[in-house]
Amino acid sequence: GAGVSQTPSNKVTEKGKYVELRCDPISGHTALYWYRQSLGQGPEFLIYFQGTGAADDSGLPNDRFFAVRPEGSVSTLKIQRTERGDSAVYLCASSFSTREGPSTDTQYFGPGTRLTVL
Amino acid sequence: DQQVKQNSPSLSVQEGRISILNCDYTNSMFDYFLWYKKYPAEGPTFLISISSIKDKNEDGRFTVFLNKSAKHLSLHIVPSQPGDSAVYFCAAGLMNRDDKIIFGKGTRLHILP
Repeated sequence: GAGVSQTPSNKVTEKGKYVELRCDPISGHTALYWYRQSLGQGPEFLIYFQGTGAADDSGLPNDRFFAVRPEGSVSTLKIQRTERGDSAVYLCASSFSTREGPSTDTQYFGPGTRLTVL
Repeated sequence: DQQVKQNSPSLSVQEGRISILNCDYTNSMFDYFLWYKKYPAEGPTFLISISSIKDKNEDGRFTVFLNKSAKHLSLHIVPSQPGDSAVYFCAAGLMNRDDKIIFGKGTRLHILP
């Protein structure tokens, strides 16, 4: 079966512009996560969806960042008024987590979108 | 404040020898730990995990050891193979809460021929 896919693979934009990054999770996975990986750092948690709702958005750095998952499958990460500091690889992961009990469900990552803000 | 620390940015090991990657954590509430492997231009791939009720978990060439009193875990790869050259991330999380996991900065492992 197909893994997690992310589009575009690379995005170059100018400071102040708006961007959308898309994630297609593994079919049937209920949980979806967005992470951001800056150069020389590990992935940093941004937001976690369980179904259509954002169960935890505590990692979003500010109100320029927003993410949606309207039908509980595909998710879009939206960044308004981009800044040079937003340049990073944005990773999406999905897992079959129901939060009904202890969860060690593996998160499967996509290849990421490399965002460059000039 | 980094909750998961990988203090060695890189490590070189001869092919066939044992690779030992180390990780320290500060939050004593973490109750499960994972290792991910990452090749360039790919997303992290899950390697092995361990829950805090265990002190060792083994899967083929990969073994993870957990020392809760020292808040330390390590990943052993034996024997090391050329395909093991990658960046390895240690991560930690909380069961029964949400599934957010906290990653370390990673250690780049080079397997030398």
